[in-house]
Amino acid sequence: AQSVTQLDSQVPVFEEAPVELRCNYSSSVSVYLFWYVQYPNQGLQLLLKYLSGSTLVESINGFEAEFNKSQTSFHLRKPSVHISDTAEYFCAVSASKKAAGNKLTFGGGTRVLVKP
Amino acid sequence: DGGITQSPKYLFRKEGQNVTLSCEQNLNHDAMYWYRQDPGQGLRLIYYSQIVNDFQKGDIAEGYSVSREKKESFPLTVTSAQKNPTAFYLCVSSWTGGFGAFFGQGTRLTVV
Repeated sequence: AQSVTQLDSQVPVFEEAPVELRCNYSSSVSVYLFWYVQYPNQGLQLLLKYLSGSTLVESINGFEAEFNKSQTSFHLRKPSVHISDTAEYFCAVSASKKAAGNKLTFGGGTRVLVKP
Repeated sequence: DGGITQSPKYLFRKEGQNVTLSCEQNLNHDAMYWYRQDPGQGLRLIYYSQIVNDFQKGDIAEGYSVSREKKESFPLTVTSAQKNPTAFYLCVSSWTGGFGAFFGQGTRLTVV
Protein backbone atom coordinates (compact mmCIF):
# COMPACT_ATOMS: atom_id res chain seq x y z
CA ALA A 1 0.00 0.00 0.00
CA GLN A 2 1.13 3.53 -0.60
CA SER A 3 -0.09 6.95 0.43
CA VAL A 4 0.76 10.59 -0.16
CA THR A 5 0.35 13.45 2.28
CA GLN A 6 0.50 17.08 1.27
CA LEU A 7 0.85 18.90 4.53
CA ASP A 8 -0.59 22.23 3.45
CA SER A 9 -4.00 22.54 1.81
CA GLN A 10 -3.49 26.24 1.00
CA VAL A 11 -0.40 28.40 0.70
CA PRO A 12 -0.82 32.15 0.24
CA VAL A 13 2.37 33.84 -0.95
CA PHE A 14 3.36 37.27 -2.23
CA GLU A 15 4.66 37.73 -5.74
CA GLU A 16 8.45 37.29 -6.04
CA ALA A 17 8.60 35.50 -2.68
CA PRO A 18 9.79 31.89 -2.39
CA VAL A 19 7.37 29.02 -1.91
CA GLU A 20 7.71 25.44 -0.70
CA LEU A 21 4.99 22.82 -1.03
CA ARG A 22 5.53 19.84 1.18
CA CYS A 23 4.90 16.25 0.12
CA ASN A 24 5.56 13.10 2.12
CA TYR A 25 4.83 9.59 0.98
CA SER A 26 4.78 6.08 2.36
CA SER A 27 5.42 2.95 0.38
CA SER A 28 6.79 -0.53 1.01
CA VAL A 29 8.54 -0.56 -2.38
CA SER A 30 10.65 1.83 -4.39
CA VAL A 31 8.67 4.57 -6.11
CA TYR A 32 8.43 7.09 -8.87
CA LEU A 33 7.38 10.58 -7.77
CA PHE A 34 5.51 13.30 -9.61
CA TRP A 35 4.21 16.82 -9.20
CA TYR A 36 1.19 17.86 -11.26
CA VAL A 37 -0.33 21.32 -11.59
CA GLN A 38 -3.90 22.36 -12.28
CA TYR A 39 -4.33 25.99 -13.34
CA PRO A 40 -7.77 27.57 -12.84
CA ASN A 41 -10.37 26.01 -15.14
CA GLN A 42 -7.81 23.73 -16.80
CA GLY A 43 -6.91 20.05 -16.67
CA LEU A 44 -3.96 18.56 -14.82
CA GLN A 45 -0.54 18.60 -16.39
CA LEU A 46 2.80 17.13 -15.37
CA LEU A 47 5.17 19.63 -13.75
CA LEU A 48 8.13 17.36 -13.01
CA LYS A 49 8.98 13.79 -12.12
CA TYR A 50 11.61 11.72 -10.36
CA LEU A 51 12.28 8.25 -11.77
CA SER A 52 15.92 7.62 -10.90
CA GLY A 53 19.34 9.29 -10.87
CA SER A 54 19.83 12.80 -9.55
CA THR A 55 17.56 13.48 -6.60
CA LEU A 56 17.04 17.10 -7.65
CA VAL A 57 14.68 17.56 -10.58
CA GLU A 58 13.66 20.78 -12.26
CA SER A 59 10.80 22.01 -14.40
CA ILE A 60 11.01 24.46 -17.28
CA ASN A 61 9.20 27.21 -15.34
CA GLY A 62 11.55 27.45 -12.39
CA PHE A 63 10.16 24.85 -9.99
CA GLU A 64 12.39 22.19 -8.48
CA ALA A 65 11.80 19.20 -6.24
CA GLU A 66 14.20 17.06 -4.28
CA PHE A 67 13.70 13.39 -3.56
CA ASN A 68 14.76 12.58 -0.01
CA LYS A 69 14.56 8.83 0.50
CA SER A 70 15.43 8.86 4.20
CA GLN A 71 12.67 11.36 4.95
CA THR A 72 10.31 9.93 2.29
CA SER A 73 9.70 13.42 0.98
CA PHE A 74 9.47 15.15 -2.39
CA HIS A 75 9.00 18.83 -1.56
CA LEU A 76 8.42 21.33 -4.38
CA ARG A 77 10.09 24.74 -4.31
CA LYS A 78 10.32 27.90 -6.35
CA PRO A 79 12.63 30.76 -5.32
CA SER A 80 10.42 33.52 -6.75
CA VAL A 81 6.78 33.05 -7.70
CA HIS A 82 4.69 34.87 -10.28
CA ILE A 83 1.00 35.64 -10.34
CA SER A 84 0.70 32.99 -13.06
CA ASP A 85 1.82 30.30 -10.58
CA THR A 86 -1.56 30.54 -8.88
CA ALA A 87 -2.87 26.98 -9.19
CA GLU A 88 -3.46 23.75 -7.33
CA TYR A 89 -0.47 21.43 -7.08
CA PHE A 90 -0.71 17.67 -6.61
CA CYS A 91 2.03 15.31 -5.50
CA ALA A 92 1.74 11.71 -6.75
CA VAL A 93 3.57 8.41 -6.34
CA SER A 94 3.59 5.06 -8.07
CA ALA A 95 5.53 1.85 -7.50
CA SER A 96 8.54 1.54 -9.76
CA LYS A 97 8.14 -2.19 -10.32
CA LYS A 98 5.21 -3.63 -12.21
CA ALA A 99 4.97 -6.63 -9.91
CA ALA A 100 4.43 -4.36 -6.95
CA GLY A 101 1.34 -2.84 -8.51
CA ASN A 102 1.57 0.49 -10.23
CA LYS A 103 -1.35 2.37 -8.77
CA LEU A 104 -0.87 6.10 -9.24
CA THR A 105 -1.73 7.71 -5.88
CA PHE A 106 -2.27 11.44 -5.44
CA GLY A 107 -2.01 13.67 -2.42
CA GLY A 108 -4.86 15.93 -1.44
CA GLY A 109 -3.49 18.93 -3.28
CA THR A 110 -2.09 22.31 -2.22
CA ARG A 111 -3.73 25.47 -3.46
CA VAL A 112 -1.21 28.23 -4.09
CA LEU A 113 -2.53 31.77 -4.21
CA VAL A 114 0.02 34.34 -5.33
CA LYS A 115 -0.79 37.86 -4.18
CA PRO A 116 0.56 41.03 -5.84
CA ASP B 1 -2.19 12.74 -32.48
CA GLY B 2 -2.04 10.47 -29.46
CA GLY B 3 -4.10 11.32 -26.45
CA ILE B 4 -6.84 10.42 -24.04
CA THR B 5 -10.45 11.40 -24.60
CA GLN B 6 -13.21 11.60 -22.06
CA SER B 7 -16.82 12.12 -22.96
CA PRO B 8 -19.11 13.80 -22.36
CA LYS B 9 -17.67 16.95 -20.79
CA TYR B 10 -20.87 17.67 -18.87
CA LEU B 11 -23.46 15.10 -17.84
CA PHE B 12 -26.72 15.42 -15.98
CA ARG B 13 -28.38 12.46 -14.36
CA LYS B 14 -31.62 11.97 -12.55
CA GLU B 15 -31.52 10.34 -9.16
CA GLY B 16 -31.81 6.56 -9.38
CA GLN B 17 -30.31 6.30 -12.86
CA ASN B 18 -27.08 4.63 -13.88
CA VAL B 19 -24.77 6.59 -16.16
CA THR B 20 -21.59 5.60 -18.02
CA LEU B 21 -18.61 7.87 -18.56
CA SER B 22 -16.37 7.12 -21.51
CA CYS B 23 -12.56 7.12 -21.54
CA GLU B 24 -10.51 6.19 -24.62
CA GLN B 25 -6.76 6.40 -25.18
CA ASN B 26 -4.63 5.73 -28.24
CA LEU B 27 -1.28 5.95 -26.48
CA ASN B 28 -0.86 2.18 -26.08
CA HIS B 29 -0.74 2.71 -22.31
CA ASP B 30 -1.17 -0.37 -20.15
CA ALA B 31 -2.57 1.39 -17.09
CA MET B 32 -5.76 3.39 -16.82
CA TYR B 33 -7.35 5.04 -13.79
CA TRP B 34 -10.52 6.78 -12.72
CA TYR B 35 -10.37 9.53 -10.11
CA ARG B 36 -12.99 11.68 -8.53
CA GLN B 37 -12.24 15.30 -7.65
CA ASP B 38 -14.35 17.16 -5.10
CA PRO B 39 -13.71 20.70 -3.88
CA GLY B 40 -11.13 20.67 -1.11
CA GLN B 41 -10.61 16.91 -1.30
CA GLY B 42 -8.12 16.47 -4.11
CA LEU B 43 -8.12 13.38 -6.29
CA ARG B 44 -9.47 10.11 -4.95
CA LEU B 45 -8.97 6.84 -6.79
CA ILE B 46 -12.10 4.96 -7.79
CA TYR B 47 -10.79 2.06 -9.92
CA TYR B 48 -7.66 1.26 -11.87
CA SER B 49 -6.59 -1.29 -14.43
CA GLN B 50 -3.11 -2.45 -15.36
CA ILE B 51 -4.01 -4.92 -18.11
CA VAL B 52 -6.98 -5.88 -20.24
CA ASN B 53 -9.72 -7.82 -18.46
CA ASP B 54 -8.34 -6.96 -15.04
CA PHE B 55 -9.02 -4.07 -12.68
CA GLN B 56 -8.74 -3.25 -8.99
CA LYS B 57 -10.79 -1.19 -6.59
CA GLY B 58 -9.38 2.09 -5.46
CA ASP B 59 -10.18 3.97 -2.27
CA ILE B 60 -13.80 4.87 -3.07
CA ALA B 61 -15.10 2.11 -5.38
CA GLU B 62 -18.53 1.69 -3.76
CA GLY B 63 -21.31 2.65 -6.14
CA TYR B 64 -19.09 2.46 -9.22
CA SER B 65 -18.25 -0.24 -11.77
CA VAL B 66 -15.75 -0.50 -14.61
CA SER B 67 -14.71 -2.80 -17.44
CA ARG B 68 -11.50 -3.19 -19.44
CA GLU B 69 -12.42 -5.27 -22.46
CA LYS B 70 -10.01 -3.39 -24.70
CA LYS B 71 -6.65 -1.82 -23.94
CA GLU B 72 -7.86 1.51 -25.32
CA SER B 73 -11.07 1.80 -23.32
CA PHE B 74 -11.93 2.02 -19.61
CA PRO B 75 -15.54 3.11 -19.13
CA LEU B 76 -16.85 4.02 -15.68
CA THR B 77 -20.46 3.41 -14.65
CA VAL B 78 -21.86 5.50 -11.82
CA THR B 79 -24.67 3.42 -10.40
CA SER B 80 -27.72 4.44 -8.43
CA ALA B 81 -25.97 3.00 -5.36
CA GLN B 82 -23.51 5.90 -5.34
CA LYS B 83 -24.94 8.22 -2.69
CA ASN B 84 -23.22 11.42 -3.72
CA PRO B 85 -22.31 11.17 -7.41
CA THR B 86 -22.14 14.88 -8.23
CA ALA B 87 -18.43 15.50 -8.85
CA PHE B 88 -15.70 15.99 -11.44
CA TYR B 89 -14.43 12.66 -12.82
CA LEU B 90 -10.95 12.35 -14.28
CA CYS B 91 -9.58 9.52 -16.40
CA VAL B 92 -5.81 8.97 -16.55
CA SER B 93 -3.66 6.59 -18.55
CA SER B 94 0.02 5.84 -18.09
CA TRP B 95 2.86 3.49 -18.82
CA THR B 96 3.60 0.74 -16.35
CA GLY B 97 4.92 2.37 -13.20
CA GLY B 98 2.64 5.36 -13.44
CA PHE B 99 4.93 7.64 -15.38
CA GLY B 100 4.12 9.34 -18.63
CA ALA B 101 0.58 9.88 -17.37
CA PHE B 102 -1.88 11.62 -19.65
CA PHE B 103 -5.03 13.15 -18.24
CA GLY B 104 -8.41 13.40 -19.84
CA GLN B 105 -10.24 16.72 -19.75
CA GLY B 106 -12.69 15.34 -17.24
CA THR B 107 -16.44 14.88 -17.00
CA ARG B 108 -18.52 16.99 -14.65
CA LEU B 109 -21.46 14.91 -13.48
CA THR B 110 -24.43 16.58 -11.85
CA VAL B 111 -27.36 14.74 -10.33
CA VAL B 112 -30.61 16.63 -10.67
